[in-house]
Amino acid sequence: DIVMTQTPLSLSVTPGQPASISCKSSQRPLHNDGKTYLSWYLQKSGQSPQLLIYEVSNRFPGVPDRFSGSGSGTDFTLKISRVEAEDVGLYYCMQSLQLPITFGQGTRLEIK
Amino acid sequence: QVQVVQSGAEVKKPGSSVKVSCKASGGTFSRNAISWVRQAPGHGLEWMGGIIPVFGTPNDAQKFQDRVKITADESTRTVYMELSSLRSDDTAVYYCATSAGGYYAMDVWGQGTTVTVSS
Repeated sequence: DIVMTQTPLSLSVTPGQPASISCKSSQRPLHNDGKTYLSWYLQKSGQSPQLLIYEVSNRFPGVPDRFSGSGSGTDFTLKISRVEAEDVGLYYCMQSLQLPITFGQGTRLEIK
Repeated sequence: QVQVVQSGAEVKKPGSSVKVSCKASGGTFSRNAISWVRQAPGHGLEWMGGIIPVFGTPNDAQKFQDRVKITADESTRTVYMELSSLRSDDTAVYYCATSAGGYYAMDVWGQGTTVTVSS
């Protein structure tokens, strides 16, 4: 199975400041179709997860442009350019190159 | 755009089985992958398995292979997940989620179904 490791596991950010979450995969989630099947999700308290970023860097429709994804190989990053109060929650990376689909442990974002 | 609605909360005894449904409306159904993801209290997300209805054959995570049965009914646009031999550590919220065209990013999630296993 592909192991996904996120760091940090928690972070506390002042509103308006940037935030960054790292995700490392034990294997490159690069398909032979040329796409990298790495996505990011936000789970707000008491809600279902919601898709933020797919294929490393593509924002899902409706996701604010302060969210961005980058990376290649086995190292990926989710960045929030200016954190807002509504960004609080658990962030997960996920690989879907290979079954079983696997998630990172989650990173909890709090507001200072 | 597909929307999915899951069945309601369940309380089960250890050793019994539970069957959770996920009904899709709108958009494409048969060629989407429907995954089941669970979240135990205080824990992260765990993929249990999934199915692409047009193909019919489910894909299960090895951890659950002996206990999970995922099926799809194309006529009612409903996917089912049955988990047997329930234990207390199966207490969790179970989500279904869809991915257009295959096991890619999960763009539509159900509201979650809480399954409580308690004697």
